[in-house]
Amino acid sequence: GIQVEQSPPDLILQEGANSTLRCNFSDSVNNLQWFHQNPWGQLINLFYIPSGTKQNGRLSATTVATERYSLLYISSSQTTDSGVYFCAVNDNQGGKLIFGQGTELSVKP
Amino acid sequence: ETGVTQTPRHLVMGMTNKKSLKCEQHLGHNAMYWYKQSAKKPLELMFVYSLEERVENNSVPSRFSPECPNSSHLFLHLHTLQPEDSALYLCASSRTSNRGTKNIQYFGAGTRLSVL
Repeated sequence: GIQVEQSPPDLILQEGANSTLRCNFSDSVNNLQWFHQNPWGQLINLFYIPSGTKQNGRLSATTVATERYSLLYISSSQTTDSGVYFCAVNDNQGGKLIFGQGTELSVKP
Repeated sequence: ETGVTQTPRHLVMGMTNKKSLKCEQHLGHNAMYWYKQSAKKPLELMFVYSLEERVENNSVPSRFSPECPNSSHLFLHLHTLQPEDSALYLCASSRTSNRGTKNIQYFGAGTRLSVL
């Protein structure tokens, strides 16, 4: 099955800093989602981005499907950005969503 | 608020208890999912229901029993659990096409389960 790898596994930032999170996947996909899991466990959809670039406020994401990776950019980070960021993909059969291990982000004031 | 509601938010149970987790979605979706998230691990898919029919069961022990009475509600019935079953249980829903494309899943807040 498809393998999803995220890097880095952990990241500590000072408030105001920018960061880039990476998601690599091992095969063609027809769906890629980025999620933010807050300290209380809630998973929030950030982007549905099987290809191309999207922006939402301080967050943006780019997926290069032909090279099998996606990047999540966080600019001017805030303490509320802390939590775990997951990348998840569906394979071309449109089946189950496969999650990466996540990047745990901690933004310090 | 994601449109997917899970209850209870927290549950503590003994190994001999029987309890149920509930999930309700108000998004008009036709597929619902149960995931398990153990500490420091990615989410593991447990069950998938599409159009109220179970389409996936990822080798989950029989002490977990799902039920999907209609497209808006999903239950996970628990009995004789083990301490290693302690985890965050997340429900999700999506609208799937015939080809299963654009399967955007929306998650509930989860039930944090502790088995003593």
